[in-house]
Amino acid sequence: AQRVTQPEKLLSVFKGAPVELKCNYSYSGSPELFWYVQYSRQRLQLLLRHISRESIKGFTADLNKGETSFHLKKPFAQEEDSAMYYCAIYQGAQKLVFGQGTRLTINP
Amino acid sequence: EAQVTQNPRYLITVTGKKLTVTCSQNMNHEYMSWYRQDPGLGLRQIYYSMNVEVTDKGDVPEGYKVSRKEKRNFPLILESPSPNQTSLYFCASSLRGLSYEQYFGPGTRLTVT
Repeated sequence: AQRVTQPEKLLSVFKGAPVELKCNYSYSGSPELFWYVQYSRQRLQLLLRHISRESIKGFTADLNKGETSFHLKKPFAQEEDSAMYYCAIYQGAQKLVFGQGTRLTINP
Repeated sequence: EAQVTQNPRYLITVTGKKLTVTCSQNMNHEYMSWYRQDPGLGLRQIYYSMNVEVTDKGDVPEGYKVSRKEKRNFPLILESPSPNQTSLYFCASSLRGLSYEQYFGPGTRLTVT
């Protein structure tokens, strides 16, 4: 079965510092990967999809098939980025598999 | 406002007492899913539905049932809840399938004693 691994349960960085949330996956085909985010007291929502190649709220994520990774990055963290982040992979047949999540805290 | 609603938001019940968590969306989405969220495990898919009367199992369907009699509603049924079903439950919907953006409900925190 396909898996998504987010090795860091907790990540804490200072405001203005770069942020990288790691996501590794195991998948034999062409993956469709996502980052979802849940801000405090808000619903889980889509942050970005690898297929769209967008930058949302300053975040980007590049699919590295060689390393089977889809790390989420932002060059300068802001306090409003504090949230729970989930990496997810669509494995076909309407199955969406989420990672364990990383709680990001941005310190002032 | 386009959204997914769940009821109840919080529920404490006892082992074996049947319960239903309702989920409704007003976006005319065809696809709906149920997930449970547990610490250290992330979100795990319980069931999904591709349209009215079309449902299928996700990764952790044991102990749960679903129905999709109307497009907007996708209730989650626990016929005989057990303490290991204590969790935070999320309903989600999407227009074109799970490879597209999922819109999540606010969550239902269930405690089974």
